[in-house]
Amino acid sequence: AQKITQTQPGMFVQEKEAVTLDCTYDTSDQSYGLFWYKQPSSGEMIFLIYQGSYDEQNATEGRYSLNFQKARKSANLVISASQLGDSAMYFCAMREGQTGGFKTIFGAGTRLFVKA
Amino acid sequence: EPEVTQTPSHQVTQMGQEVILRCVPISNHLYFYWYRQILGQKVEFLVSFYNNEISEKSEIFDDQFSVERPDGSNFTLKIRSTKLEDSAMYFCASRHTGVFSNQPQHFGDGTRLSIL
Repeated sequence: AQKITQTQPGMFVQEKEAVTLDCTYDTSDQSYGLFWYKQPSSGEMIFLIYQGSYDEQNATEGRYSLNFQKARKSANLVISASQLGDSAMYFCAMREGQTGGFKTIFGAGTRLFVKA
Repeated sequence: EPEVTQTPSHQVTQMGQEVILRCVPISNHLYFYWYRQILGQKVEFLVSFYNNEISEKSEIFDDQFSVERPDGSNFTLKIRSTKLEDSAMYFCASRHTGVFSNQPQHFGDGTRLSIL
């Protein structure tokens, strides 16, 4: 079964507008972490934002915010004031548990295109 | 800011040959990981490594693969008898250990492995 689901293979947004990238997850753990990574065409993986399962407030990092709805098991990424440089692949990821290797499981990704 | 470095950036190898991918994790990090990303697909977990031993591995990480921390700074992934389907981007990542699970994994820029 998919642990991380990103239902939008591609998204278009106009420059300077906000965009929401969807992510739902599945886990039976009480303690887990949710991450978003950006992968530009050059291929590197850039950490954007983190949300812990026990965090009561939604995480924010500059223009990035995470709309965390625990009961619905969703962790959508909101990018405000989109810029041309935001065009990239975006991966939602989850890390389960408090101990062990903390492997991270990735979704299939959403490719974001920002239009001028 | 400290970063994970991977060498080489691109490796071309004949099918059946052995290849070693090298990584230098961030110096005060204690958990190390390898992931792979087949072109156009999602990032897949291979293995995590802590305290000089494998802490977790995926079903992909079979006897063809091995990891090693030969000294205090390098972390290597060896692929024996490479196959065409091993062609992928291989990412090394490291994480600072701690009580809290909000520490993200920091990724290197990847090694693109091409098997001919």
